[in-house]
Parts: sequence; structure tokens; C-alpha cells
Amino acid sequence: QKEVEQNSGPLSVPEGAIASLNCTYSDRGSQSFFWYRQYSGKSPELIMFIYSNGDKEDGRFTAQLNKASQYVSLLIRDSQPSDSATYLCAPRSSGAGSYQLTFGKGTKLSVIP
Amino acid sequence: NAGVTQTPKFQVLKTGQSMTLQCAQDMNHNSMYWYRQDPGMGLRLIYYSASEGTTDKGEVPNGYNVSRLNKREFSLRLESAAPSQTSVYFCASSALEAQRGATYEQYFGPGTRLTVT
Repeated sequence: QKEVEQNSGPLSVPEGAIASLNCTYSDRGSQSFFWYRQYSGKSPELIMFIYSNGDKEDGRFTAQLNKASQYVSLLIRDSQPSDSATYLCAPRSSGAGSYQLTFGKGTKLSVIP
Repeated sequence: NAGVTQTPKFQVLKTGQSMTLQCAQDMNHNSMYWYRQDPGMGLRLIYYSASEGTTDKGEVPNGYNVSRLNKREFSLRLESAAPSQTSVYFCASSALEAQRGATYEQYFGPGTRLTVT
């Protein structure tokens, strides 16, 4: 059973601060990692993804991978109230069914104005 | 380009009734998925279809059936609804490695909020 663990939160940060969201995964062979944002009552939307060979920065968002410790993190710089949402981590499975994603339960982020 | 569409958006059923949730995508994706999302449980995979003509069980398939009607459409059927199937249902699609530029991200539809009384 491939497992993805996220702290459910809520994680509260003041506006303008850096929010750090973490995710641990059990499938050591995972090739890529996806971060989704889900606003209350809405469907998940992709923020960014990284491959197993490196970190990635996209605007205010940075995704980092620590393969040795099997965790991936999402940093949100200059947090805005509009960033308040639940963030889902989803590694891509290795081996059979390698197109599938395994979703964590998500971390709820609250940015306080 | 509508992406992934789902119908209906809301539905209330009585225990024992049946219904079909419809999903369609216009992104020429090979793979399609059905998830349910419950508070505190995250997204759980019900069924998936790697490509047209194939379907497989996911983590929580009991009480559901699926049909991959064609490349665009993937439906989820509840034959005899139970209160435990009260949930939000999401359909998603993704490309396969063989498709140019595929990076495997899944695109989600808006969801169907189902209540079984």
C-alpha cells in the first residue's frame, strides 16, 4: 500500500510570511511529485510538479524534494489570503500503473490578513 | 475547450435507488479516473481506465460500476445507493507517456455532490 502523509493542519501564517507545507511518501520509486490546491467546495487544481531529479520554482511557489528522507515540500513566499486553501501532495506511482497518482489527505492553509 | 465536465452537479437519492454519474473530457487524454472525497479521508480512487476499452478497480470499488464509453466519456454507476456513498465525486483525466509532452498531471472536473438518504 503506497502511503502519502500530510499534516492536516490548519497551518496558520500571517500575510506576507512564508508558508511551508510538507509531505512524506512511502513509494521510493516515485518519479514525479504533484502539488494541487483545493479551495473549499471546489475541485483540485494543479499548482506545480517536480521530477525526482530536482527542485522547481514558479513565481511565489517552490517545490523541493528530499529523496533520501522521502519527503517533498511546497514553499509559498509572500503568502496572500487568496492562498488559503487545502494543499494536496500527490506522488506518481512507480511500476505497474505508473501513470497513477496517490493523493495525501491534504494540509489546510490559512493566511491571516 | 471545456476540460473535464461532470453531470449532474448535485443529486439526492433514496437508499436503494440507482444513478449514473457522467464524465467527459475534451483534451484527448487516454486515462480517466473516478474519485470520491469525504471529510478527513482525502481523495480515494474508485475506478480508473488507463485507456479506451480497459477499466480497473481502485481503492474503494465496492458498490460501483464503470463504463468507458469511448475515449472521451467515462461513467460511474451506483446500482443500489447506500448512505455510505454520500460523498463528493470527482472525475479526472490524464495523458499517458505515449502522448507527446505527457507529464501525467490529472485534470479534475467540478465534482458531483451526492447525498443518499
